[in-house]
Amino acid sequence: GAVVSQHPSWVICKSGTSVKIECRSLDFQATTMFWYRQFPKQSLMLMATSNEGSKATYEQGVEKDKFLINHASLTLSTLTVTSAHPEDSSFYICSARVRGLASTDTQYFGPGTRLTVL
Amino acid sequence: GEDVEQSLFLSVREGDSSVINCTYTDSSSTYLYWYKQEPGAGLQLLTYIFSNMDMKQDQRLTVLLNKKDKHLSLRIADTQTGDSAIYFCAEGFQKLVFGTGTRLLVSP
Repeated sequence: GAVVSQHPSWVICKSGTSVKIECRSLDFQATTMFWYRQFPKQSLMLMATSNEGSKATYEQGVEKDKFLINHASLTLSTLTVTSAHPEDSSFYICSARVRGLASTDTQYFGPGTRLTVL
Repeated sequence: GEDVEQSLFLSVREGDSSVINCTYTDSSSTYLYWYKQEPGAGLQLLTYIFSNMDMKQDQRLTVLLNKKDKHLSLRIADTQTGDSAIYFCAEGFQKLVFGTGTRLLVSP
C-alpha cells in the first residue's frame, strides 16, 4: 500500500518549453502532496506544499509563476515547469501524505522525474 | 531555520553493523524519519520515531533518539550489499526538513 507514482520518469526538453510532471497516489487519498527538488549529490529541498482544491504554498525563493502546481483531485497533483531553462534541470520528487490512517502522517515518495533542459 | 546534519559517507563490510548519525536543531520536532534512496530513485521510508521515544527496533533496523543532545542514529544490523544507498534523516510534522544524506557503501 501507499504507492506514489510519477510520470514521466525522465524528460529532455528544449530551453523555453514547458514541462508537466504528474504525481499520483495509487492506492490512497492524499489531501496533501509535496514537491521537492534534488540537485546531484545533494539533499531534497521542499519547493511547495499542495493541498487538494486550494492554492499551493510555495517555499521562500521558489517562483510560483515558473513552477505551477495544480492539485485537482485527492490522487493527482501536477507540477508544470514553465519556460524551462538549463538551470531548471534537476531531479523532481513528489510525496503524498497519507490520509485516514491511524499511524503518523507519513509522507510516501514517488520515484522522481529527471528533467534535463537543453 | 531548522538544520539537519549528517556525516557524508560510511563504508562497511558485508555482515558488519552500520551506524548512521544525524543531528538536528529543532527541539520541537515531533517525528523523526529515516529514508533510503537508491541511485536514480525516489525515497523509501525505512522507519520513524516519535519524539517521546528513545528507541525503536524494526527487524534489522534500530533507531536511537537522544532528545537532550538532538541526536538521532540508525543502526543496520548484518549489513548487506543491497543496503548500499544514500540514507536521509528528516524531521518535521507537516513539512519535512531533510539532512544532507549519508552515502553507505557495503563491500563484500
